[in-house]
Amino acid sequence: QVQLVESGGGLVNPGGSLRLSCAASGFTFSDYYISWIRQAPGKGLEWVSYITSSGRGIFYTYYADSVKGRFTISRDNAKNSLYLEMNSLRPEDTAVYYCAKEGRGLSPVDYWGQGALVTVSS
Amino acid sequence: QPVLTQSPSASASLGASVKLTCTLSSGHSTYPIAWHQQQPEKGPRFLMRVSGDGSHTKGDGIPDRFSGSISGADRYLTISSLQSEDEADYYCQTWGTGIRVFGGGTKLTVL
Repeated sequence: QVQLVESGGGLVNPGGSLRLSCAASGFTFSDYYISWIRQAPGKGLEWVSYITSSGRGIFYTYYADSVKGRFTISRDNAKNSLYLEMNSLRPEDTAVYYCAKEGRGLSPVDYWGQGALVTVSS
Repeated sequence: QPVLTQSPSASASLGASVKLTCTLSSGHSTYPIAWHQQQPEKGPRFLMRVSGDGSHTKGDGIPDRFSGSISGADRYLTISSLQSEDEADYYCQTWGTGIRVFGGGTKLTVL
C-alpha cells in the first residue's frame, strides 16, 4: 500500500526558511518521479517542483517560476525520502504542501500524501 | 505551456449523472490529462488518466461510476448514480517534461 507522509510544516516569518520531508513506503521509491504540489487556503492546486528517478545516479529537478531560485527539491533513495528546502519565504507561500508520487515515465500523480501546512506570517 | 480551463462549479441531483469538462488550450489538444478528486477537508485523490485517444486508466479502488472521455480539446469526467460523497472539488492535470499544470478546479454540489 503506497503511503506518503509529509512532515516539517509550521509557522515561519517572512524571509525565513523551512524544510519539508516526505517519507514514502509501499513502492520502489527510487523508480518514480515525485512532485511537491501546494494549495493556498481556499484556492486550487499549484505544482511546485518535481524530481526525476535517479537512473545511473543522475536525476533532474524542475520548478515552477513562482519558487525558482528559492526552493530546492531533493531525494534520498536510501531513506525513501523526499525533501523541499524553502528559503526566502513569502506570505504567498502559505499553503498546504503535498508530496505526490507519479506513475512510470511521463505520467500524472497517482498517489498523494495528506499534506503539511506551511504558514508564512509575522 | 498548456493551460487547462474548468468551470468553477457544477451541480446535479442525487442518483443522477454529471459531466465535468476540462478544456486544453490551443495547440495542446492532444495532451493526456488526469482527474483528481478532493473531498472537503481532505487531500486529493487520483481518479483516472485520460489519454489523447480517449482511453482511460483508473486509480486503485475507483468505482465504475466514474469514467473519462474526450472530444477535441475537451476532456470529460462523467460521474453516474451520484452519491453524497461525490460532492467535492475536481481538478484536471496535464504534464510534460519540466512542467505540471492543474486546472482551476470544479466544485461539484450534489443536490
